[in-house]
Amino acid sequence: AQKVTQAQTEISVVEKEDVTLDCVYETRDTTYYLFWYKQPPSGELVFLIRRNSFDEQNEISGRYSWNFQKSTSSFNFTITASQVVDSAVYFCALSGTGRRALTFGSGTRLQVQP
Amino acid sequence: GAGVSQSPRYKVAKRGQDVALRCDPISGHVSLFWYQQALGQGPEFLTYFQNEAQLDKSGLPSDRFFAERPEGSVSTLKIQRTQQEDSAVYLCASSLHMDSRQPQHFGDGTRLSIL
Repeated sequence: AQKVTQAQTEISVVEKEDVTLDCVYETRDTTYYLFWYKQPPSGELVFLIRRNSFDEQNEISGRYSWNFQKSTSSFNFTITASQVVDSAVYFCALSGTGRRALTFGSGTRLQVQP
Repeated sequence: GAGVSQSPRYKVAKRGQDVALRCDPISGHVSLFWYQQALGQGPEFLTYFQNEAQLDKSGLPSDRFFAERPEGSVSTLKIQRTQQEDSAVYLCASSLHMDSRQPQHFGDGTRLSIL
């Protein structure tokens, strides 16, 4: 069975602070894919990034960076110099060769105060 | 439009009524998914189509839930004899191929409230 755990329910930071959102996963698939989605108050889930299980290279995109560590089954997401527009619920999700559908974590609500 | 379109945006129904939720995926996308999102929770999988074929319906919570995609494009999720626990946001997503690595692109969802 697949499982995604986001232990942080809610995080509040002040603008320009760095913040890291944690994600831990479980899967029996040897090949799997990890995703991060952003859900602003409007409700639409916005795709941010996909990571393949066989590629542990970390990735940076502007103020966003992702740290994938297979040894600890973690795929953490860091926002550098946070902005008010980053306020949203962030979901980590998992799919694999054994399961096409996404398994989501329960989400982390990020509030960035001005 | 360029994205996944869902209608209606909001639906209020009385307990026991039947409802139908529509999803118009991104043009050319082969795979289509339905998810249910309860308040404060992550989306949970309901069912998956590849073109018109329903390949996985393991997430449908009961036989009151039924989904179809007869021509491989637009999909409808139907809930019969609605109950209060059916109140949730229903999300539709599509992806270009059937490959698990493909990101799924989501619509805005239909917020269903059962009175």
